[in-house]
Amino acid sequence: DAKTTQPTSMDCAEGRAANLPCNHSTISGNEYVYWYRQIHSQGPQYIIHGLKNNETNEMASLIITEDRKSSTLILPHATLRDTAVYYCIVRVYNTDKLIFGTGTRLQVFP
Amino acid sequence: EAQVTQNPRYLITVTGKKLTVTCSQNMNHEYMSWYRQDPGLGLRQIYYSMNVEVTDKGDVPEGYKVSRKEKRNFPLILESPSPNQTSLYFCASSLWSNTEAFFGQGTRLTVV
Repeated sequence: DAKTTQPTSMDCAEGRAANLPCNHSTISGNEYVYWYRQIHSQGPQYIIHGLKNNETNEMASLIITEDRKSSTLILPHATLRDTAVYYCIVRVYNTDKLIFGTGTRLQVFP
Repeated sequence: EAQVTQNPRYLITVTGKKLTVTCSQNMNHEYMSWYRQDPGLGLRQIYYSMNVEVTDKGDVPEGYKVSRKEKRNFPLILESPSPNQTSLYFCASSLWSNTEAFFGQGTRLTVV
């Protein structure tokens, strides 16, 4: 299973864009990149996922490099409620297995 | 409202006393999983189920059992709990592979 590498922590000012990087250099061609976040000790919350193309939804944008070895999650206008641990996950094809790393702790400050 | 419901939310028990943590989803999802979360180790998959009567081991299955008799329910059973099973447990479900997973609110288990 492909592993991911993320920075341990990041800060972002409220209202600014938060750009969270993730490296997944051993990703296979049929593996998707998923992003989840966990606020305090609540259940992880799905944010977005993608295979090759960039994706956008109401929460965030996902930029995947052409070689698929890295990606960036963008929260366009971070709020205090976006303070959480963000997990970049490579999902094994045809199973529901999610391999969580230790994630990036994002702190949004006023 | 679409949701995954776990019960109980908090549980303190003694070593060796069998317990069951229930998980139910109302979204008609095929896939269900159990994870445990420990400080410094992240979330690790215990067991998963791709359909009714189909279950398989995840990364840390020792000391746990599961069953999937109905699509909506996926209970986690600890036949003889031990202190090293003290953890935060999450149940998750998803419609198919590669679709978003919905997580329950967690069960904080303490075994003394």
